[in-house]
Amino acid sequence: QKEVEQNSGPLSVPEGAIASLNCTYSDRVSQSFFWYRQYSGKSPELIMSIYSNGDKEDGRFTAQLNKASQYVSLLIRDSQPSDSATYLCAVNLVTGGGNKLTFGTGTQLKVEL
Amino acid sequence: NAGVMQNPRHLVRRRGQEARLRCSPMKGHSHVYWYRQLPEEGLKFMVYLQKENIIDESGMPKERFSAEFPKEGPSILRIQQVVRGDSAAYFCASSRGEGDTEAFFGQGTRLTVV
Repeated sequence: QKEVEQNSGPLSVPEGAIASLNCTYSDRVSQSFFWYRQYSGKSPELIMSIYSNGDKEDGRFTAQLNKASQYVSLLIRDSQPSDSATYLCAVNLVTGGGNKLTFGTGTQLKVEL
Repeated sequence: NAGVMQNPRHLVRRRGQEARLRCSPMKGHSHVYWYRQLPEEGLKFMVYLQKENIIDESGMPKERFSAEFPKEGPSILRIQQVVRGDSAAYFCASSRGEGDTEAFFGQGTRLTVV
């Protein structure tokens, strides 16, 4: 089982719709969860952090965390063509020596006009 | 407030040469991660360091690859005797560490081995 799993997509949504991106992780001890956006040829950009169960909203983005189900999601409201990118889920896994920030393979989002 | 700085942005090496990639973390950050990314693939964890200490190197190939983060100066990822399969984008990220785990990325170094 992969440590962090995401559907690779592509996920296509029409402009103005809600995009829903999902991620599951294997380590029950994980405490920190992140969503990054990566445009083609660019470096990942941190867009959301979440540490406790429930929802966290920031503008058009909402992160949702359910530790019991080991599941974290990202909702993007009013999707725009500029949101078209690969979205990476990252989980801070606690190892013997410290923390290891581990990424899923990413979900490609396409917002269509 | 400068972000994470990586250099060079692009590096071309012939097979058998050495590649040195540098990463200066954000101000106030003492922890550095290195990742490798192949085209159309995800980020593969390589190594996690704090100043003068390797915390986790479970993703580093056992041969030819090494990393350091000295007390003064940038973190260095060193690849000896490069092969074509080493061609990839190498990203560095930094965090404050010690409970503050938000990590911010540099722009990456694109290594091409010819």
